[in-house]
Amino acid sequence: AQTVTQSQPEMSVQEAETVTLSCTYDTSESNYYLFWYKQPPSRQMILVIRQEAYKQQNATENRFSVNFQKAAKSFSLKISDSQLGDTAMYFCAFTTRSGGGADGLTFGKGTHLIIQP
Amino acid sequence: DAGVIQSPRHEVTEMGQEVTLRCKPISGHNSLFWYRQTMMRGLELLIYFNNNVPIDDSGMPEDRFSAKMPNASFSTLKIQPSEPRDSAVYFCASSSGLGYTFGSGTRLTVV
Repeated sequence: AQTVTQSQPEMSVQEAETVTLSCTYDTSESNYYLFWYKQPPSRQMILVIRQEAYKQQNATENRFSVNFQKAAKSFSLKISDSQLGDTAMYFCAFTTRSGGGADGLTFGKGTHLIIQP
Repeated sequence: DAGVIQSPRHEVTEMGQEVTLRCKPISGHNSLFWYRQTMMRGLELLIYFNNNVPIDDSGMPEDRFSAKMPNASFSTLKIQPSEPRDSAVYFCASSSGLGYTFGSGTRLTVV
């Protein structure tokens, strides 16, 4: 069974700072996908960034980037120039692919990120 | 595109009552997932369907929980009878491949 571990229950940084959220996972699969989701107080689950395991290049979406270390099974999220609107729960998630369609996501416990003004 | 639509947004019910949660996935998405979120256990996958067929229901906590997907545009999650420990936010999500889109969730409170 796959597991996802987020070791930082809560983090707090000042606005405009850079912050890195940690995620490690455990799997015996070679082809898989990793995600970071943001959940603000509205409870909506919002996709932040996605990484395919077969791609060596780290994914980037504007101020959000990942450091994907496949051998170490590590998938950290870096948020640059943090903004007040980045305050939310952040979840790391993992999935594989079966032939008939998408498989379910396995989530970490989440990191509560607080951006201070 | 209206996204994944869940109803109701909030549900308060008495212990022992039947509860039905509803989900309309994004048109064209062939996979549908039901998740439960609690403070203690985080986000748990309950069941998922590919092409309307249940693939894995190992996350369904008890026989009191059941899920159906009678067609590509509708799914239900039913709890009968409900118990206070079922109180949680229930999310539905759909996927056509690499992307997963979540609904706004149903907050269920069983008193």
